[in-house]
Amino acid sequence: AQSVTQLDSHVSVSEGTPVLLRCNYSSSYSPSLFWYVQHPNKGLQLLLKYTSAATLVKGINGFEAEFKKSETSFHLTKPSAHMSDAAEYFCVVSDWGGSYIPTFGRGTSLIVHP
Amino acid sequence: GAGVSQSPSNKVTEKGKDVELRCDPISGHTALYWYRQSLGQGLEFLIYFQGNSAPDKSGLPSDRFSAERTGGSVSTLTIQRTQQEDSAVYLCASSLGGAGTDTQYFGPGTRLTVL
Repeated sequence: AQSVTQLDSHVSVSEGTPVLLRCNYSSSYSPSLFWYVQHPNKGLQLLLKYTSAATLVKGINGFEAEFKKSETSFHLTKPSAHMSDAAEYFCVVSDWGGSYIPTFGRGTSLIVHP
Repeated sequence: GAGVSQSPSNKVTEKGKDVELRCDPISGHTALYWYRQSLGQGLEFLIYFQGNSAPDKSGLPSDRFSAERTGGSVSTLTIQRTQQEDSAVYLCASSLGGAGTDTQYFGPGTRLTVL
């Protein structure tokens, strides 16, 4: 069984300050973990993914995430927020449960203030 | 190349009517997924296709919902006797092989409103 919890429904930051979006997961096997972003009125797009290689994963637009097995976490970070980062972010876990059906978190809305 | 496309982009229907939503995946992608996204909610898994087969239909909320995929390509999600609680954005995604490491590519969604 797999599950994912995004710890914050909303995160508000000022432009130029760091971003931290938190995600905890539960998995019976060796999971793959993803972060997707959904800009207003746009489709979901992959930011980055972890697939059992390097635990620190770099994605698009300066985002990165670190897989911490001991903490069952996969938090998303960015050193300096930009106005264009304002969007909904989804953490996703996928492991073998008869088939690979990804489980999505409920999403974190990132608000960026000028 | 072309991404995942969905039609219609918006659908307004009356309670009790049937609706069909269409998804065209990326060419060559064998796996196809349907999700439902309600306001302020995450993505709710509905059904997964591998080729033309649906090994996992566990997310379909009731027997009013059905889906098919033909030719390993286009998929149609049908909702019969629509109810107001069916109002949501219906998203389709495809991936190359359906493995756990595969990236999903999403379409823009169909916004369904049931009056």
